[in-house]
Amino acid sequence: AQSVTQLDSQVPVFEEAPVELRCNYSSSVSVYLFWYVQYPNQGLQLLLKYLSGSTLVKGINGFEAEFNKSQTSFHLRKPSVHISDTAEYFCAVSDSGGGADGLTFGKGTHLIIQP
Amino acid sequence: DAGVIQSPRHEVTEMGQEVTLRCKPISGHNSLFWYRQTMMRGLELLIYFNNNVPIDDSGMPEDRFSAKMPNASFSTLKIQPSEPRDSAVYFCASRSGQGRNQPQHFGDGTRLSIL
Repeated sequence: AQSVTQLDSQVPVFEEAPVELRCNYSSSVSVYLFWYVQYPNQGLQLLLKYLSGSTLVKGINGFEAEFNKSQTSFHLRKPSVHISDTAEYFCAVSDSGGGADGLTFGKGTHLIIQP
Repeated sequence: DAGVIQSPRHEVTEMGQEVTLRCKPISGHNSLFWYRQTMMRGLELLIYFNNNVPIDDSGMPEDRFSAKMPNASFSTLKIQPSEPRDSAVYFCASRSGQGRNQPQHFGDGTRLSIL
């Protein structure tokens, strides 16, 4: 079984400032890692994913994340945020092997952009 | 391309009534997932299908919940009888192939309120 911890339920940031949203996971098996964004009254949209290879992955809307196996982390970053980035962000893992399918999500981080 | 389509977007009904939520996955996707989102528990996987066959329903909370996928383009999640604690946003997601490295694509959800 896997679990995902998003340490911050809310992160307020000023516009054009950098931001980091933290994600740690626990798993006894190899995993794939994902970040999704949810805008109000909408479904989840994939930002980026880590499968293997380079630990730094780039996604849409200027976001990137770095996989750190030793720290079991997959933190999301953006160098300069915009008002339009206000949303809920979810970190998720899935078993990359033959175990149970489906995504295990963290509780989410609400990114609040202040003008 | 049409994304995952869920209906209805909102449902308000009284306790004890039967509720049916509907999902049309992206054409060509052969894995389908149902999730529930609540403030207390976050996003939880309820059940998933591969090639229209239910694979794991261990996340279904009670026997009052049932899900079907009669063909590749349609799935339903039914609650009978409904209870106030079933109030949540229910998401359907589909995925191409059975490769877990493929992202899941989410619908906009059904916001269910049981009075």
